[in-house]
Amino acid sequence: DIQMTQSPSSLSASVGDRVTITCRASQNISTYINWYQQKLGKAPKVLIYAASSLQSGVPSRFSGSGSGTDFTLTISSLQPEDFATYYCQQSYSIVCTFGPGTKVDIK
Amino acid sequence: QVQLAESGGGVVQPGRSLRLSCEVSGFTLNSYTMYWVRQAPGKGLDWVAVISSDGSNTYYTDSVKGRFTISRDNSKNTLYLRINSLRTEDAGVYYCARERRMGSFGDFEAFDIWGQGTLVAVSS
Repeated sequence: DIQMTQSPSSLSASVGDRVTITCRASQNISTYINWYQQKLGKAPKVLIYAASSLQSGVPSRFSGSGSGTDFTLTISSLQPEDFATYYCQQSYSIVCTFGPGTKVDIK
Repeated sequence: QVQLAESGGGVVQPGRSLRLSCEVSGFTLNSYTMYWVRQAPGKGLDWVAVISSDGSNTYYTDSVKGRFTISRDNSKNTLYLRINSLRTEDAGVYYCARERRMGSFGDFEAFDIWGQGTLVAVSS
């Protein structure tokens, strides 16, 4: 199976900060990567698909980039509602795998 | 309204069996590949099982092969997960998720709809 790693595992940031989360795949997955946001006690929500496409209804402060094995999710100006855990997920294989998550909390 | 609703979770003894259900509404189940995703307490997301839109293909993560069975009844718009020989490490919230083709040419897939989850606790 394709393994996904994320860094950092957690970060503390302030409202208005620019936040970048990195995800790395164990093999070339082209742009078959998605990013999800999960708030405590809730189901995940897709933010970005195909590495850089913004899901309908998601604020434009979220963006994604990368291809091959290295990817980033960027929040340009962190808002109070963005404190959550973020997961990358590869969709290159039907046997999909998630990264371990990055928890973003208040500094 | 497009939604998924899981049920069937609860407290179960090790070694026993359980069947989870995921009832869909607002869309036709037979058009989509469906997944079960598990989240152990305080942990991340792990895919557990996947079934193709017509039910002809299924795949499982290694730790559940031979014990879990994913199935679907498109006529009832319901997805199932049968769990046998429950282990303590099977505990967690089980989500069903719809895989949707995304992008201008449908070249990419992502989980666009998730249920609220059903909690499975394993305890003697």
